[in-house]
Amino acid sequence: GAVVSQHPSRVICKSGTSVKIECRSLDFQATTMFWYRQFPKKSLMLMATSNEGSKATYEQGVEKDKFLINHASLTLSTLTVTSAHPEDSSFYICSALPGPGRQTQYFGPGTRLLVL
Amino acid sequence: DAKTTQPPSMDCAEGRAANLPCNHSTISGNEYVYWYRQIHSQGPQYIIHGLKNNETNEMASLIITEDRKSSTLILPHATLRDTAVYYCIVRVEGTNAGKSTFGDGTTLTVKP
Repeated sequence: GAVVSQHPSRVICKSGTSVKIECRSLDFQATTMFWYRQFPKKSLMLMATSNEGSKATYEQGVEKDKFLINHASLTLSTLTVTSAHPEDSSFYICSALPGPGRQTQYFGPGTRLLVL
Repeated sequence: DAKTTQPPSMDCAEGRAANLPCNHSTISGNEYVYWYRQIHSQGPQYIIHGLKNNETNEMASLIITEDRKSSTLILPHATLRDTAVYYCIVRVEGTNAGKSTFGDGTTLTVKP
């Protein structure tokens, strides 16, 4: 089956620093990847959609300068939380779509970010 | 994408079938029904999907009503490891196919 990995699985950082989270599709090429965040006991909230080689499309209310997304290859997308603050602490999850017209998303295991 | 409605929680005895309902009364003809589940502190896991015919795989069965306004996910022999939040999602094919809107889902608790 399709496998998506995320690194790191958890990170603790000081307020004001930037944190990069990697999302990789291990056994397939992902033309589209998605980034979600999830607060405790809440559902997933889509942050942005990224297509390989083009700029990400952000959902309403998500600051693109705060959450930098790069999808430089068909197997890797990165989310950088810039100048992180405690309110950015959350569970960040990526997912990948195997190809155009394919419907099934495959999700990564998530990255738990704690900003002190 | 059509909105879905699921009960917030359900209990099921271990070894028994778990039947999780989902209402999607505004579903369009080209929208698929997808089911995912999320075990605590993990990423969502794909379970099954369908358009209008009933579907079965090694994990579960999906029953879609004839008018497609509701569906039921069936876990035939629930185990303790099936305890999770189950999400029902409907979405179209095409370039925005992956843009899933997750509702609150159903928290299924399988009890010994």
